[in-house]
Amino acid sequence: EAQVTQNPRYLITVTGKKLTVTCSQNMNHEYMSWYRQDPGLGLRQIYYSMNVEVTDKGDVPEGYKVSRKEKRNFPLILESPSPNQTSLYFCASSLSIRAYEQYFGPGTRLTVT
Amino acid sequence: AQSVTQLGSHVSVSEGALVLLRCNYSSSVPPYLFWYVQYPNQGLQLLLKYTTGATLVKGINGFEAEFKKSETSFHLTKPSAHMSDAAEYFCAAPDLRDHGGSQGNLIFGKGTKLSVKP
Repeated sequence: EAQVTQNPRYLITVTGKKLTVTCSQNMNHEYMSWYRQDPGLGLRQIYYSMNVEVTDKGDVPEGYKVSRKEKRNFPLILESPSPNQTSLYFCASSLSIRAYEQYFGPGTRLTVT
Repeated sequence: AQSVTQLGSHVSVSEGALVLLRCNYSSSVPPYLFWYVQYPNQGLQLLLKYTTGATLVKGINGFEAEFKKSETSFHLTKPSAHMSDAAEYFCAAPDLRDHGGSQGNLIFGKGTKLSVKP
């Protein structure tokens, strides 16, 4: 089954404790992206990757890092989480940067206390 | 820059009634338009997409949407609502920057929560 998976689905952590949210797709997509979803603000792009070893900032990259060492994986790293990063995070993938039809993971609900 | 506006953050219909969720886009005509659905505690699932060509687009679960360039609209409809349609619906368009570039992301409307009454 074609899908995007994320782990963990739920995470409660404390300020400053480094964490990684994993994302994997099995559709051989070149493009992958991370969004955060916040009430009243909708979905905003954090980082994206056009292909292996090619990543770039989205609209709200502060406090986040990503890497793309393999085509299927695109982890999101919070090196020093803060309470304002409490949010619902979605990983998405598409065939290419111009394809736009995005497939979303199930989401990771992160709470930073 | 592109923007997407959804009219009505909450819509409530009776089971069996017509569902109409409104979406308007701004700026130049986008190459694509999408409707996504988000069920509680789940990710976004593609309902349907518009590409150049037929203006009436059919999607999954009996939904369809009509692209109207003159009204800059892409409203989502379903003739007869079912209890299982209760979810949040998002209209989206490619985020095409003024300089013609792209980050490949979508601009989403704020979402419309659909409630279906028995």
